Amino acid sequence: EAGVAQSPRYKIIEKRQSVAFWCNPISGHATLYWYQQILGQGPKLLIQFQNNGVVDDSQLPKDRFSAERLKGVDSTLKIQPAKLEDSAVYLCASSLGLAGGRTYNEQFFGPGTRLTVL
Amino acid sequence: AQSVSQHNHHVILSEAASLELGCNYSYGGTVNLFWYVQYPGQHLQLLLKYFSGDPLVKGIKGFEAEFIKSKFSFNLRKPSVQWSDTAEYFCAVNARGNNRLAFGKGNQVVVIP
Repeated sequence: EAGVAQSPRYKIIEKRQSVAFWCNPISGHATLYWYQQILGQGPKLLIQFQNNGVVDDSQLPKDRFSAERLKGVDSTLKIQPAKLEDSAVYLCASSLGLAGGRTYNEQFFGPGTRLTVL
Repeated sequence: AQSVSQHNHHVILSEAASLELGCNYSYGGTVNLFWYVQYPGQHLQLLLKYFSGDPLVKGIKGFEAEFIKSKFSFNLRKPSVQWSDTAEYFCAVNARGNNRLAFGKGNQVVVIP
């Protein structure tokens, strides 16, 4: 089966510019996640969607970060305006979520978008 | 909220040596536990997982991990590593019923041929 797709793979911008990342999860996966992975650290969850609704965005810096999953399939993550400390790899992951009365927790990750803010 | 600790961020060892990576978490309730691996230039992949049952879990490529509830630990082991095991290894935890994964900082493992 096709994995989680992300684009672009790399992006270099200057501070105060805007940037958007796109993610297409595995077909049929109800739950979609965006993570931020700063160099030398593990991924940190930014936002979690269940279908087109937000389940958890408690760690999303909402003054500059936004995300949407309008049709419950693909998703975009936007940063506006970017700061130097936003330089990181942005990972998208998906999981089957709730199906048949059970919650399937295994998350499948995409290749990530490496963002460099100058 | 749960947190995860991984020690010895950089590990260098020779082929055929044994590997053990420690993982400790802080959360008092029931958890699901994972080890993910990221090979150079590739994306994060699931190595093994523990949801319930036998606390000794076997994963892909000869890896295994043991859940010790009393120690809040989920250490990863491989008896004999290969050069192809060079990668970064992440331990992750989520509370049962909550999909939010908390990751450790990772272990960068380099296997010298």
